[in-house]
Amino acid sequence: GESVGLHLPTLSVQEGDNSIINCAYSNSASDYFIWYKQESGKGPQFIIDIRSNMDKRQGQRVTVLLNKTVKHLSLQIAATQPGDSAVYFCAEIIYGQNFVFGPGTRLSVLP
Amino acid sequence: GAVVSQHPSWVICKSGTSVKIECRSLDFQATTMFWYRQFPKQSLMLMATSNEGSKATYEQGVEKDKFLINHASLTLSTLTVTSAHPEDSSFYICSAATTGLAGGTDTQYFGPGTRLTVL
Repeated sequence: GESVGLHLPTLSVQEGDNSIINCAYSNSASDYFIWYKQESGKGPQFIIDIRSNMDKRQGQRVTVLLNKTVKHLSLQIAATQPGDSAVYFCAEIIYGQNFVFGPGTRLSVLP
Repeated sequence: GAVVSQHPSWVICKSGTSVKIECRSLDFQATTMFWYRQFPKQSLMLMATSNEGSKATYEQGVEKDKFLINHASLTLSTLTVTSAHPEDSSFYICSAATTGLAGGTDTQYFGPGTRLTVL
């Protein structure tokens, strides 16, 4: 799977506010989803995952919500910090097949 | 755990030369390794999927003679950009997949990327 996108959408939030990054996925058969964070000049970093038999999963300051009805995934970051500034990708995975990445969203944290 | 390294992190080469990029899974054995290319402000573009001991599977539009992939072991894969040209300048990222928890779904862990600049 591959995903190519131009002109990444940007989300700007104030430091300390909560951030919500959204992702629409395409295949209703996808059974596993991952959010990645990519800082400038670095490879993507695994943040949190969720399986299709769940609708919510929480990590440290992050929560992923899955709505299979509308094929929508979101990543919530609590108390956003400057270090959270990065590009965030969602990935949908069908068991045994390649990943499909979303186009990414650039999160900018304002002081 | 699940650390993936790439070497080199940045390489500048002359047009016409070949460049080899290494991808290593440091603390686990990867059943599959993936190679991606990423242009500025764009998402990841899968180039090829590589399983240890077998030939890589290339995505449509990716020249296998241009981008040579060798997967010598469960912890090492290499990408060689042959006869590099300026249009090959890009950020190349590898990932290594390990079998996940119950359900067997693979999880990909990414290397830090290699920036290739061809003059």
